[in-house]
Amino acid sequence: EVRLVESGGGLVRPGGSLRLSCAASGFTFNTYSMNWVRQAPGKGLEWVSSITSSSSFTYYADSVKGRFTVSRDNANNLLFLQMDSLTVEDTALYFCARRRVTYYLDHWGQGALVTVSS
Amino acid sequence: QSALTQPPSVAGSPGQSVTISCTGTNFDIGAYNRVSWYQQSPGTAPKLIIYEVSNRPSRVPDRFSGSKSANTASLNISGLLAEDEADYYCSSYTSSDTIVFGTGTKVTVL
Repeated sequence: EVRLVESGGGLVRPGGSLRLSCAASGFTFNTYSMNWVRQAPGKGLEWVSSITSSSSFTYYADSVKGRFTVSRDNANNLLFLQMDSLTVEDTALYFCARRRVTYYLDHWGQGALVTVSS
Repeated sequence: QSALTQPPSVAGSPGQSVTISCTGTNFDIGAYNRVSWYQQSPGTAPKLIIYEVSNRPSRVPDRFSGSKSANTASLNISGLLAEDEADYYCSSYTSSDTIVFGTGTKVTVL
């Protein structure tokens, strides 16, 4: 069974940093691209970032480019999102998701809540 | 990276059909057959219900169907059930090698 479990969320001050993790199991992690998607309270889904299977390529939404960094540890089946220079607009539930070749997300974690507030 | 445009809400009675539109551009929906749809119930993660415009994962009932014409994709739910009440999001691959989501549509079963 495919399982994705996010962790590392919490309360952080504006300008602060946080690192999210996503532990993957039930599939061959190093053969899939992975994505981060977020959802602000009461709002819709926003794609945040993606990373290819071997970390060769990374992509970011304009709203986080230069502040967020996606990475992965294939040896330990882990996906990360390093978030720096956080603003209140980054407050959201952050989901990790497995991406298939034709860019659909077939499995999602339950999400990690990030709250940016003074 | 503007969001794809969906109607905020649609409603239907049990047994009826509803259709949700999703309008993009020549750089996303219009350029690729890489449209997917997700269902999200309150407090839960999104669930894939349609991929590659019109394909359904095996666990998804055939009451859900997808299509595309030019820059607009559509999700049809036939034989509406109370359990279909949820938020629905479309998504597309883009020419920038990224993913863009729709604005989301709340489906209400009257």
